[in-house]
Amino acid sequence: NAGVTQTPKFQVLKTGQSMTLQCAQDMNHEYMSWYRQDPGMGLRLIHYSVGAGITDQGEVPNGYNVSRSTTEDFPLRLLSAAPSQTSVYFCASSYSAGRNEQFFGPGTRLTVL
Amino acid sequence: KQEVTQIPAALSVPEGENLVLNCSFTDSAIYNLQWFRQDPGKGLTSLLLIQSSQREQTSGRLNASLDKSSGRSTLYIAASQPGDSATYLCAVSSRTGNQFYFGTGTSLTVIP
Repeated sequence: NAGVTQTPKFQVLKTGQSMTLQCAQDMNHEYMSWYRQDPGMGLRLIHYSVGAGITDQGEVPNGYNVSRSTTEDFPLRLLSAAPSQTSVYFCASSYSAGRNEQFFGPGTRLTVL
Repeated sequence: KQEVTQIPAALSVPEGENLVLNCSFTDSAIYNLQWFRQDPGKGLTSLLLIQSSQREQTSGRLNASLDKSSGRSTLYIAASQPGDSATYLCAVSSRTGNQFYFGTGTSLTVIP
């Protein structure tokens, strides 16, 4: 199993540009989530999904959209990038929410100029 | 809103020492608590998961305890090694298990 994969590893955007961060898992996990990690803030939940077609907001959802059309994929869209979205983004998955351990991807480092 | 605190923020110990990392949380209505390790520039690796009904979990040299009523968890590392140097994060879930709240971590350095 490849586990949780994320692309790209690094990205630089200009303010106002849009982009999609990709996340995929091959473990047939129902639960997937996106976090951002900022210095001194810890990881904060952006959006999560408990299964295909079901998504919900986390702690810091503004400026981000998600969809879950398949069990394997959970892309995160930045509609109009802002410097405040400069961060490291992590995708995670688990077999089911709460009951099982979460597995994390390697992260995407995003810089918005 | 759930607040998770980890103390100390940084810890430096000589190799071979036993050590304890602390995690506290403000809302005891959690589904589970998970300890992670993060190496610089890398993702998170799960160490131990404790369900709210459990008191402790063990894996090798690691032992995690949970006292839900007092809002505390500890991660005990026995006979520390230089390879244990990393940042250790704890995360607590919401009552439903759908949302997770992380502490800011303890940066551990084990000196050979």
